[in-house]
Amino acid sequence: GAVVSQHPSRVICKSGTSVKIECRSLDFQATTMFWYRQFPKKSLMLMATSNEGSKATYEQGVEKDKFLINHASLTLSTLTVTSAHPEDSSFYICSAQEADVNEQFFGPGTRLTVL
Amino acid sequence: AQSVSQHNHHVILSEAASLELGCNYSYGGTVNLFWYVQYPGQHLQLLLKYFSGDPLVKGIKGFEAEFIKSKFSFNLRKPSVQWSDTAEYFCAVTTDSWGKLQFGAGTQVVVTP
Repeated sequence: GAVVSQHPSRVICKSGTSVKIECRSLDFQATTMFWYRQFPKKSLMLMATSNEGSKATYEQGVEKDKFLINHASLTLSTLTVTSAHPEDSSFYICSAQEADVNEQFFGPGTRLTVL
Repeated sequence: AQSVSQHNHHVILSEAASLELGCNYSYGGTVNLFWYVQYPGQHLQLLLKYFSGDPLVKGIKGFEAEFIKSKFSFNLRKPSVQWSDTAEYFCAVTTDSWGKLQFGAGTQVVVTP
């Protein structure tokens, strides 16, 4: 149980375009989803927390207009990187958490490369 | 600001050796503590967690960790490692009700046959 999927697993796009990444909880209802960014040989950095049906809460230094997060249902959250630039190239990981369960389940990540 | 420190960035050891990875956090209030593992090419998996109670926590795959409140530490141990324990290990802490995880920098562990 507690499986989280991400799609796509890998995406290459041109600078200036937008990319949408999906995060799904496959066998549980995720009231909260988290989006992380992982740089090579570095730890995970929390970008934002999203609760189903409400606006995401962004961490300091994360541009909310650039990284659009939508959590429209209890099983799906999306991260859209708008007007992507090469410095946005990274590994993006989502996690999902059920209500009253203090444990996050992680997706496999999405490798974004912006040319 | 809160922080999580992992002392070793890279550890190489032989099979059957004992492993101990250090983790310290800086936060004076109540914390929940986690160790995650990321095997090559795979997603993060929970090894073990501590919320309250017995400070010696046993997790999966023979791992255990000890919470020492006075030292703000949550070190991970395994008495005898296997080649399959080669992975990156992350210590993480939550300090709020939202469950926002703050991760350490990670320790790359390589177990040689």
